Amino acid sequence: SQTIHQWPATLVQPVGSPLSLECTVEGTSNPNLYWYRQAAGRGLQLLFYSVGIGQISSEVPQNLSASRPQDRQFILSSKKLLLSDSGFYLCASGLGESYEQYFGPGTRLTVT
Amino acid sequence: LAKTTQPISMDSYEGQEVNITCSHNNIATNDYITWYQQFPSQGPRFIIQGYKTKVTNEVASLFIPADRKSSTLSLPRVSLSDTAVYYCLVANTGTASKLTFGTGTRLQVTL
Repeated sequence: SQTIHQWPATLVQPVGSPLSLECTVEGTSNPNLYWYRQAAGRGLQLLFYSVGIGQISSEVPQNLSASRPQDRQFILSSKKLLLSDSGFYLCASGLGESYEQYFGPGTRLTVT
Repeated sequence: LAKTTQPISMDSYEGQEVNITCSHNNIATNDYITWYQQFPSQGPRFIIQGYKTKVTNEVASLFIPADRKSSTLSLPRVSLSDTAVYYCLVANTGTASKLTFGTGTRLQVTL
């Protein structure tokens, strides 16, 4: 089975500071990769997905960006964080047409 | 993607069977029904998936009527550790198999 690694686990950043969250995947190759955000008490919002190296699709226009420099590496970035960027960020991996996605442990981001 | 509607919360005692129903009136022919479970401060975990009739695995059963406009997740003899949020999703095999998570059903199991 797949294992998703995310770091850091928690992060507190001031408004206007940059962000870089990293996700790596073990146990599979050429997965679909996803970044989700979950606000407190809410469902998951899909932010970005990628079907291959360098291929990024954005679901929600905002000040975040994503990159996939390697097959099993997915990075979420921001040049200047906003208060509204606070939340629980989850990376997930899936294969082809499967509906089963494997989620990482998440990063809890607080923007102050 | 078809919209899903499920109860916001449910309560149960330990040892009882819990049934969570999800409505998806606009489900398309090539859509599948998938359920995920999420514990606090963790990512969701896939539970079960089905297209029609009944599907059972070691964790749960999924009942889907012939018209497929709803589905019911059945958890047999729940325990305290089943306290979680349960998401019903409807998805088809698009290029990236994108999933749309709603707010889910918060199940609270007590003694």
